Amino acid sequence: NAGVTQTPKFRILKIGQSMTLQCTQDMNHNYMYWYRQDPGMGLKLIYYSVGAGITDKGEVPNGYNVSRSTTEDFPLRLELAAPSQTSVYFCASSDQRGNNEQFFGPGTRLTVL
Amino acid sequence: GENVEQHPSTLSVQEGDSAVIKCTYSDSASNYFPWYKQELGKRPQLIIDIRSNVGEKKDQRIAVTLNKTAKHFSLHITETQPEDSAVYFCAASPDNFNKFYFGSGTKLNVKP
Repeated sequence: NAGVTQTPKFRILKIGQSMTLQCTQDMNHNYMYWYRQDPGMGLKLIYYSVGAGITDKGEVPNGYNVSRSTTEDFPLRLELAAPSQTSVYFCASSDQRGNNEQFFGPGTRLTVL
Repeated sequence: GENVEQHPSTLSVQEGDSAVIKCTYSDSASNYFPWYKQELGKRPQLIIDIRSNVGEKKDQRIAVTLNKTAKHFSLHITETQPEDSAVYFCAASPDNFNKFYFGSGTKLNVKP
């Protein structure tokens, strides 16, 4: 199993540009999450999904959108990039049977100039 | 929502010494408390976790304790080694959707 994979690894955007961060998991997990990690800080939940077609906001959803059309994929969309969105973005997934380990992807380092 | 505070932000110990990292949480509904280790430029990885029906859990050199009444939990690393150097994050999960609320992290430096 590849686990959780993310693309791209790195990206530089100009202010106002848009992009989609891709996340795929092959563990058949129903629950998926997007976090952002600012330098020297913890992870903040942006959006999460409990299954295909179901998404909800986390702690810091402004400026982002998500969709979940399949169990495997959970893309994160930035519509109008701002310097405040410079961060490392991690996707994670977990089994839906109670509270348990979240498995993280390798991260996408995004810089907005 | 849940608020998790973590201390200290940095911790430097000599190889072989013990390290202790402490976290507090605010939501009494939290019932799952994982600890993640993140090496530089890598993804967070689970090292140990504890559920609210247990007061202590140990895995070799790593242990976690939980005090539900005081709403705090701690990570203990004994006989530290240079490869323990990393950033450690605590988290709390208060609901059935397994959402995690993370602390701000502790950078542990083990000096050889």
